[in-house]
Amino acid sequence: AQSVTQLDSQVPVFEEAPVELRCNYSSSVSVYLFWYVQYPNQGLQLLLKYLSGSTLVKGINGFEAEFNKSQTSFHLRKPSVHISDTAEYFCAVSGHSGGSNYKLTFGKGTLLTVNP
Amino acid sequence: KAGVTQTPRYLIKTRGQQVTLSCSPISGHRSVSWYQQTPGQGLQFLFEYFSETQRNKGNFPGRFSGRQFSNSRSEMNVSTLELGDSALYLCASSQTGPNQPQHFGDGTRLSIL
Repeated sequence: AQSVTQLDSQVPVFEEAPVELRCNYSSSVSVYLFWYVQYPNQGLQLLLKYLSGSTLVKGINGFEAEFNKSQTSFHLRKPSVHISDTAEYFCAVSGHSGGSNYKLTFGKGTLLTVNP
Repeated sequence: KAGVTQTPRYLIKTRGQQVTLSCSPISGHRSVSWYQQTPGQGLQFLFEYFSETQRNKGNFPGRFSGRQFSNSRSEMNVSTLELGDSALYLCASSQTGPNQPQHFGDGTRLSIL
């Protein structure tokens, strides 16, 4: 079984400040990792993904994340946030176990609020 | 290239009724997954279809069912609706499955009175 824990349900920050949204996962097999963003009344949009290779991945809108296998973490960072980054952010893991097919499991989400 | 299209966007039903939601994936995508999103439970996986076959299923009662057509369009059906079924239902597509980034529709907001 796989699971995702997003350690903060809400993160308030001021505009132009740096931010880190934390994500830890558990899985008994190799996984693929994703961060998605959801704006009000919309579906989810992919921010970035880790499939293999370099553990530091860069995504859209200036976001990046680092995969840490030993700590089973995939924290999302941005050096300077904008008002428009206010949204809910979801960490997700996709794993394949034995004969079962891939399944995507989401964390509970972190609401990022950027204040002027 | 058109994105994932879900219809209708909003739906109001009463307890005991049934409902059918539709999802048209991105052209060329053969995998379609469905998720239920609620404030309390977050995003929960319902099922995934690939080439008209259900490949994976989440922990939902049998009242929740789905199917996929030969053109990859998918429908999900919920019978005997309960108040707790009120949620945003999201559909996502990809070429091969959940090991790839998913492209999401804007969802169908289902309200049960």
